[in-house]
Amino acid sequence: DADVTQTPRNRITKTGKRIMLECSQTKGHDRMYWYRQDPGLGLRLIYYSFDVKDINKGEISDGYSVSRQAQAKFSLSLESAIPNQTALYFCATSETPGLGPFNEQFFGPGTRLTVL
Amino acid sequence: QQQVKQSPQSLIVQKGGISIINCAYENTAFDYLPWYQQFPGKGPALLIAIRPDVSEKKEGRFTISFNKSAKQFSLHIMDSQPGDSATYFCAASMGVNTGFQKLVFGTGTRLLVSP
Repeated sequence: DADVTQTPRNRITKTGKRIMLECSQTKGHDRMYWYRQDPGLGLRLIYYSFDVKDINKGEISDGYSVSRQAQAKFSLSLESAIPNQTALYFCATSETPGLGPFNEQFFGPGTRLTVL
Repeated sequence: QQQVKQSPQSLIVQKGGISIINCAYENTAFDYLPWYQQFPGKGPALLIAIRPDVSEKKEGRFTISFNKSAKQFSLHIMDSQPGDSATYFCAASMGVNTGFQKLVFGTGTRLLVSP
């Protein structure tokens, strides 16, 4: 079974609609992230959460909001979708880092969102 | 804004050949330089990572080379196989000792290894 799951995997919606992308993890990690992937731009951080009560904006948070319903669940919402939000969206998790070693981020399979 | 520049955008290599992907960074305040591998329909997965106090790291057929003075690092895939066909992202990790380890990704390289 996948450790990080995302639903839906594909979604087509219309401009102005509200949409929610969901992420669940069974890895027991405290930290969760939402990224957006666009061709030629790599992955860019939208929001990240250190725990249920700690949510932070990333580099491209405008037009997005998030909710950390539980340690294992982190949802991304587009309040009023627009065409330039068409992209591949990834959720990721990581452990709370200690001092030193690199903390790997574990990615879900992604949600392909198309806004018409 | 911190950037990691990656090239080439796409690469075709024959089976058994060497695949080389290059990245250059601007900000020197990074802790790790990881490479992620992404297969179609999947999320990125960590392939190999190097610390900035090490010039080279090898894991099997995959090697990271790091040139600190040039602010460049590269991924070499020796004896490339069709199963290596994927998109590869370099990244720079910052803040490993501050409580938030931020990843800045390169733009990605789509590798195709022809049989």
